[in-house]
This record gives sequence, structure tokens and C-alpha cells, in this order.
Amino acid sequence: SYELTQPPSVSVSPGQTARITCSGDVLSKQHAYWYQQKPGQAPVLVIYKDSERPSGIPERFSGSSSGTIVTLTISGAQAEDEADYYCQSADSSGTWVFGGGTKLTVL
Amino acid sequence: EVQLVASGGGLVQPGGSLRLSCAASGFTLSNYWMHWVRQAPGKGLVWVSRMNSDGSSRTYADSVKGRFTISRDNAKNTLYLQMNSLRAEDTAVYHCAREAPGTGDWYFDLWGRGTLVTVSS
Repeated sequence: SYELTQPPSVSVSPGQTARITCSGDVLSKQHAYWYQQKPGQAPVLVIYKDSERPSGIPERFSGSSSGTIVTLTISGAQAEDEADYYCQSADSSGTWVFGGGTKLTVL
Repeated sequence: EVQLVASGGGLVQPGGSLRLSCAASGFTLSNYWMHWVRQAPGKGLVWVSRMNSDGSSRTYADSVKGRFTISRDNAKNTLYLQMNSLRAEDTAVYHCAREAPGTGDWYFDLWGRGTLVTVSS
């Protein structure tokens, strides 16, 4: 198995840029995916294949990848973006792993 | 509306059993690989199990292997998770999730809200 490591928390003021990292050796070979989860709700996909944005996700959400580190960037963070964010990856052996999650605070 | 709704959670004693259901609507379950993912109170997401579209292949996390069984009834558009020999550490919200179709990319494009399982005496 493998691990994905995220910072426990990130804090920004409204309108600032928030960056959440996810690191792991598997990320040099497999794509990363990002989910947003608000309290009491199911997760929602916000970035797939490192940097692709699903329809309906605001343009302020973007993703990038460099070696074993992927980054979720929220440009001009808004109060509604306050949530937990999880990275995830998987491989053809059927191993699926999540990062530990990052709590984003916007205040 | 395309959605997944999990049900069947509740309070169970250690060593007991429970069966979770996940009802799919707005799409045909038989076209998708499906998963269960759990989340202990205040903790992160943990992958539990996966089943392919026709039910012929199943994989499990080491922590539940031999105790949990994933299954599906495509005619009823429903996914199941049979949980036996439950332990306190199995306490969590259990989400069902749909795997995005396609090859080479493994992620979830739809989640259910989840059902809470509490294992306690």
C-alpha cells in the first residue's frame, strides 16, 4: 500500500489564495483527485486527473502536479469554500487511498 | 435526479452483524463499478471495498477482509455491504460511491451521504 500526506489545516482570509498540498510516491505514477466535504454532507469531486475541473465547479478551483506533490489552489477563497479537502489516488491493483484531509478555514 | 442513498446503519454490539444498502436512482447501477468508503467520527475518508459492474470481482481493505462482503443486485439498482464480526473501530459513517467510468483513471464521480454505524455495548 502507499500513503498520501496532507497538512491538517490551512487558513486564509477571504479573497486570498489557498493552497493545499498532497504528497506521496504514487503521485509520480498516478493521477490525483480532490474532494470537498462540508459538515454533514457527502464529498464532492472538485479536481480530477491532477488539474481537470468537473462541470459546475467554480473556476477559482485549480490543480497542479510536480513529481510526488500535487496542489489544490483556490484563488480568491470565499467563505463558502470553508470545508475539508481530501486528495485521493489509486492504481490498477485495486488499491485506493485518501490523504488524511485538510481543514480549510476562510476568515 | 442522479443520486445514491445509503441506509441500514444503526447501533450494534461488538461481534454483531449489520447489512447496509445503497439505492441508486437516476442512472443504471449495472454500468458502474461501486465502492464503500467510511469515515470515523471526526476523522478522514477511508476506502473499504469495491465491486465491478457485474459482481464478479471484489476487493477489500485489509482492515475488513474476511469480515465484510460487498454485493449488488443490479435488477434492484442496489449495492450492499454485509458487515460481520463488528468491532468498535468499525464505528463510522459509511458512504457508497460510484467509480467514474473509463480506463486508467480511478476516482469517484458520485457519492451518497452515508449511514452511521455505531459498534458499542
